[in-house]
Amino acid sequence: DGGITQSPKYLFRKEGQNVTLSCEQNLNHDAMYWYRQDPGQGLRLIYYSQIVNDFQKGDIAEGYSVSREKKESFPLTVTSAQKNPTAFYLCASSVRDRESQYFGPGTRLLVL
Amino acid sequence: GESVGLHLPTLSVQEGDNSIINCAYSNSASDYFIWYKQESGKGPQFIIDIRSNMDKRQGQRVTVLLNKTVKHLSLQIAATQPGDSAVYFCAENAGGTSYGKLTFGQGTILTVHP
Repeated sequence: DGGITQSPKYLFRKEGQNVTLSCEQNLNHDAMYWYRQDPGQGLRLIYYSQIVNDFQKGDIAEGYSVSREKKESFPLTVTSAQKNPTAFYLCASSVRDRESQYFGPGTRLLVL
Repeated sequence: GESVGLHLPTLSVQEGDNSIINCAYSNSASDYFIWYKQESGKGPQFIIDIRSNMDKRQGQRVTVLLNKTVKHLSLQIAATQPGDSAVYFCAENAGGTSYGKLTFGQGTILTVHP
């Protein structure tokens, strides 16, 4: 089955803790993206990567970090600097930049 | 900054009717548009896209219309079914240095009554 997988489905973070959200795709897509969705709102771009070993900040990158060491993987770390991390996090990929983006099932992050 | 917005936050239709969901965009440099469907607790699902060199594109039961003169995008769903109930988002890409960045609207909730 080709697609995008995200894990875990639910994640709980304690104060001051860094947590990492996983995103894997086996679609052979070059570009990958991380979005944040708050209740009743659209998606806001956190980071994106057009190619391995390269990534760019989106609109709300503060308090987040990413890496792109492999084409298939684009993990997102929510650091303790992100003061309001509770949200639904969505990973997406596209064949190349500016093509249709396909989304994973999402990870819901909650703060204890 | 530039943004994408929706005229109607909610739309209720009867099963079998045609649905039209509208979207206004303000960035005249946008040249690529996508419609997504999102069911509760799931990731957005790609429905259909259109580039600015077209004014209409059809898929299975869906049609997207683009009017660049008034910066308006619409999604038409034929013979709407209860399974079409979801939040629908339009998204735009402004090209140039925006790369793959999509700007999303807030969404329209479509409810289909049996």
